[in-house]
Amino acid sequence: DAAVTQKPRYLIKMKGQEAEMKCIPEKGHTAVFWYQQKQSKELKFLIYFQNQQPLDQIDMVKERFSAVCPSSSLCSLGIRTCEAEDSALYLCSSSQPSQDTQYFGPGTRLLVL
Amino acid sequence: QQQVRQSPQSLTVWEGETAILNCSYEDSTFNYFPWYQQFPGEGPALLISIRSVSDKKEDGRFTIFFNKREKKLSLHITDSQPGDSATYFCAARAGTGGYKVVFGSGTRLLVSP
Repeated sequence: DAAVTQKPRYLIKMKGQEAEMKCIPEKGHTAVFWYQQKQSKELKFLIYFQNQQPLDQIDMVKERFSAVCPSSSLCSLGIRTCEAEDSALYLCSSSQPSQDTQYFGPGTRLLVL
Repeated sequence: QQQVRQSPQSLTVWEGETAILNCSYEDSTFNYFPWYQQFPGEGPALLISIRSVSDKKEDGRFTIFFNKREKKLSLHITDSQPGDSATYFCAARAGTGGYKVVFGSGTRLLVSP
C-alpha cells in the first residue's frame, strides 16, 4: 500500500513565527505536491516538484513560503512568517508521472494563534 | 474562479439508498477525473476515477457517469452504508500524471442507519 508520511501531525505557532513541516513521499515516486485545506473544504494547490525540482507554484508560495525537496525521500514546506489565515491542514501527495493516482499523507494541521 | 464545482455541499441519505454526488467543470482540456474520499483527520484517498474517453466507470457500489459534452459527471453510491459517511471530492486534471489536480469544494455525505 502507498504510504506518504507527514510530520508533525500537529503544529501550533504564534503569529510571526516560522513553521516547518515535512513529507516523506512514497518510495519511488518522483512527483510531490503540496496542498492547503481549510475547514475540510477544497484542496488548494500550493507547489509541485518533479525529481526534486519545483515546476509549478502559486504566488503565495513564492512570496511567503519556502519549499524544497533536498532528496528524493524528503520534502519540506515552510512558512517564513505565520499569519492567522495560514491555519489549515497541509497535505502532501506523491505520484509517478506516468501514473494517475496521487497518494496523500495524513497532513500537518497548523494552528496560528 | 472555481474550475471544478460540486453539488450539493452536503447530502444525507438513509442506509441502503443511492447517494448521487454531482460535479461540473470548466476546462475542456481536463481528461482525467478522480474522486477522493476523505474521513475526518485523514488525507484524501482515491476512491474511483474516470478518463474522458469513457462515459461510465463502475467499481463495486461506486459508479461514475460522465458527460463530456455537458462537462458534467456524477458519482453514484448504491446501497449506501454508514461507513460511507465522509467528504467526497471531485477533481480534474489535464495532461498526464505529473500535472496538478484541481479539486472541487467537496460534498459531505452522511448515511443514517
